[in-house]
Amino acid sequence: EAGVTQFPSHSVIEKGQTVTLRCDPISGHDNLYWYRRVMGKEIKFLLHFVKESKQDESGMPNNRFLAERTGGTYSTLKVQPAELEDSGVYFCASSHENLRGRGKLFFGSGTQLSVL
Amino acid sequence: RKEVEQDPGPFNVPEGATVAFNCTYSNSASQSFFWYRQDCRKEPKLLMSVYSSGNEDGRFTAQLNRASQYISLLIRDSKLSDSATYLCVAGGVAGGSYIPTFGRGTSLIVHP
Repeated sequence: EAGVTQFPSHSVIEKGQTVTLRCDPISGHDNLYWYRRVMGKEIKFLLHFVKESKQDESGMPNNRFLAERTGGTYSTLKVQPAELEDSGVYFCASSHENLRGRGKLFFGSGTQLSVL
Repeated sequence: RKEVEQDPGPFNVPEGATVAFNCTYSNSASQSFFWYRQDCRKEPKLLMSVYSSGNEDGRFTAQLNRASQYISLLIRDSKLSDSATYLCVAGGVAGGSYIPTFGRGTSLIVHP
């Protein structure tokens, strides 16, 4: 079974540019999470989808970040325009919706975003 | 105050040693708890769930104290391959959404 895949693995952009990150969760996983890790800090929650519905986006830093999950399959996270402080590793994770499974996250390998 | 707090370490121990990590969480409504392991430049991977009765998986033992809002992980007979960052996670529901919250991680270095 394929795991969670993220694309690209690395992205280097200039301040003011736009970047779109993609996440393909494990097939059948209704829960999809985006997290971000800034160097030296904890992995911070950004938002949560259940199928195509945004359940919680309280962790999104500001309106420069837009996440979508059309059709409840893959998700995209767009940053427009990117700022220096957006640099970090963006992780996507998925899990089953059932009570036993939902805390057991399967992570993608992350996208290292560097904004110069 | 951070929602999930861990001593960042690093813990530097010889092979064969027993090492214990602690974690506290601030949200008393947290429902489920986990330890994840993250190797350098890799993604976090689930190590084990943590249950109130305590649970063991080989050399790893996890315990939960809900009254003190405290979680622990004990690693016995440490191996070189145990070197990694160990992330404490507390999951709870807020506004209808189940959110796992991560601690900053505790770094373990096992040396020969």
